[in-house]
Amino acid sequence: DTAVSQTPKYLVTQMGNDKSIKCEQNLGHDTMYWYKQDSKKFLKIMFSYNNKELIINETVPNRFSPKSPDKAHLNLHINSLELGDSAVYFCASSPSSGTGELFFGEGSRLTVL
Amino acid sequence: AQSVSQHNHHVILSEAASLELGCNYSYGGTVNLFWYVQYPGQHLQLLLKYFSGDPLVKGIKGFEAEFIKSKFSFNLRKPSVQWSDTAEYFCAVSVYNQGGKLIFGQGTELSVKP
Repeated sequence: DTAVSQTPKYLVTQMGNDKSIKCEQNLGHDTMYWYKQDSKKFLKIMFSYNNKELIINETVPNRFSPKSPDKAHLNLHINSLELGDSAVYFCASSPSSGTGELFFGEGSRLTVL
Repeated sequence: AQSVSQHNHHVILSEAASLELGCNYSYGGTVNLFWYVQYPGQHLQLLLKYFSGDPLVKGIKGFEAEFIKSKFSFNLRKPSVQWSDTAEYFCAVSVYNQGGKLIFGQGTELSVKP
């Protein structure tokens, strides 16, 4: 069983569209994250939720909106997609919000044309 | 602001060569330190971590890292690399009381020639 699973794994869309990426973890962790990996493979945190509560919100355009319906799910919705949004988006979870030890999903590669 | 710097962008080694990847961070307080590995086309996996105690930590697949507090360094080592170690290696730091936010280095691409 995949511990942290994301869907879809690949997403190709046009500029201006709205898209969502879903993430689910079956590890029983309290904290979930979204990271963005750019074309140079640099990883940067976007958001973090602890037990459905937003605890980290980096300087991300408000076109990006995370939603956590329960502590096992953290979805990412992106409005009005731009070329610069093309990246691999990784979901991750952690047993607690303090340590930094993360379990990553396989990533969702978003390509905006 | 905290930052993590990895010394090498791309390292090319032959099998059985020894590996050392440099990592330095900038933060004077309490940190947790990590090395993550990303094999081609795969997600990031934890190689090893340092929270406290013995500054020499051992991870999976024969990797180890040494935390030198005075140098703000956490270098990754392996005595003898294999072709299967070809991957991207990321050093990362989390600062105490920041919600577990990981700050990553730029990554080092390791290519091992058979």
